[in-house]
Amino acid sequence: AQSVSQHNHHVILSEAASLELGCNYSYGGTVNLFWYVQYPGQHLQLLLKYFSGDPLVKGIKGFEAEFIKSKFSFNLRKPSVQWSDTAEYFCAVNAGKLIFGAGTRLAVHP
Amino acid sequence: KAGVTQTPRYLIKTRGQQVTLSCSPISGHRSVSWYQQTPGQGLQFLFEYFSETQRNKGNFPGRFSGRQFSNSRSEMNVSTLELGDSALYLCASSFSFRDRGFYEQYFGPGTRLTVT
Repeated sequence: AQSVSQHNHHVILSEAASLELGCNYSYGGTVNLFWYVQYPGQHLQLLLKYFSGDPLVKGIKGFEAEFIKSKFSFNLRKPSVQWSDTAEYFCAVNAGKLIFGAGTRLAVHP
Repeated sequence: KAGVTQTPRYLIKTRGQQVTLSCSPISGHRSVSWYQQTPGQGLQFLFEYFSETQRNKGNFPGRFSGRQFSNSRSEMNVSTLELGDSALYLCASSFSFRDRGFYEQYFGPGTRLTVT
């Protein structure tokens, strides 16, 4: 069955700490992968996407993600988080429809 | 370019009633998808429309239906509302080809439906 698993439901970090959010997917077709972010009170925004080519993709606001096909993973990273990164992060795979993970709530303390 | 717009933003309905939600996609986008977001179930796909045809459907009962107009605007309808239908309903639009599915999706702010 098609699914997306996000390992951490809640993450708390201090400003300037590094971030890595795990995402594993289960899908047998051509993989298109996404990370979306939902800031408090705002709508879902596309953070970055992978369609093909370089498995290391860069998105907005200093985020990047690495697609590792052998591990069925698409982990999100940021070297130094800011208070403004406090939000909920969703990993998704395009299986003719977007299948989302359960989301990770990130809280960054000043 | 204007983003995806959804109306109304908030709605309160009573069990047994029906509701219609509206979505206007980004100009040039012909694919419109609908999702339900709840704290318990997360984000779940309802259906996708492309060029006025339903192209994909999720696992929701027949009380949930939708349509798309020639200008790509879309509506979804929920009949015989139940308490469990209380959720944030999100619309997303995407550039798409008929035989290649959609690319990245851009989401609207959602319609918050409360069923009492």
